[in-house]
Amino acid sequence: GQNIDQPTEMTATEGAIVQINCTYQTSGFNGLFWYQQHAGEAPTFLSYNVLDGLEEKGRFSSFLSRSKGYSYLLLKELQMKDSASYLCAVMDSNYQLIWGAGTKLIIKP
Amino acid sequence: GAVVSQHPSRVICKSGTSVKIECRSLDFQATTMFWYRQFPKQSLMLMATSNEGSKATYEQGVEKDKFLINHASLTLSTLTVTSAHPEDSSFYICSARAGTSGMETQYFGPGTRLLVL
Repeated sequence: GQNIDQPTEMTATEGAIVQINCTYQTSGFNGLFWYQQHAGEAPTFLSYNVLDGLEEKGRFSSFLSRSKGYSYLLLKELQMKDSASYLCAVMDSNYQLIWGAGTKLIIKP
Repeated sequence: GAVVSQHPSRVICKSGTSVKIECRSLDFQATTMFWYRQFPKQSLMLMATSNEGSKATYEQGVEKDKFLINHASLTLSTLTVTSAHPEDSSFYICSARAGTSGMETQYFGPGTRLLVL
């Protein structure tokens, strides 16, 4: 079956760095997405990785290793507004998005 | 990024009534639109995929006669929850994708919170 695993919840301190991991097993691979979802709101697109390596976008970076079925989202200089759920999603061979359950990130002052 | 709107943002209705939710892509043509449902503290659950001008493809366990989807144009898709019941209360989110390669990013609407009394 298809499976996306990410931690349920993480806690970090304002100003620090946090890494949210995602491992996947899917039928085919056409890219991995990270979305941010604040409570009560719809997800917003953060990043897309289809080749191995690190993609940097401001305070957020996303890494992919296709051979290991592994990705992480790195958030630097954490701000209170970064408190949200972070969803990992993989596009399979049918171009369907397979969603992880999300990681709730709690930022403490 | 691309903008997707959804209307209404919140709706409260009586059990047995039907509710229509609209999803519009405002600055791009969406060849494919997706409808998701999300229960509290759970991940997104794909309900159906719709391509403009064709019938929607429903996920297993989703009743197509209860959740009517119409993708009439490249910028508009509607979801109608027919004969709504309290268990249909949920957060309904649409997303839209441009192009036909399948690899384009999905952009989400702001969601519609449905409460059935």
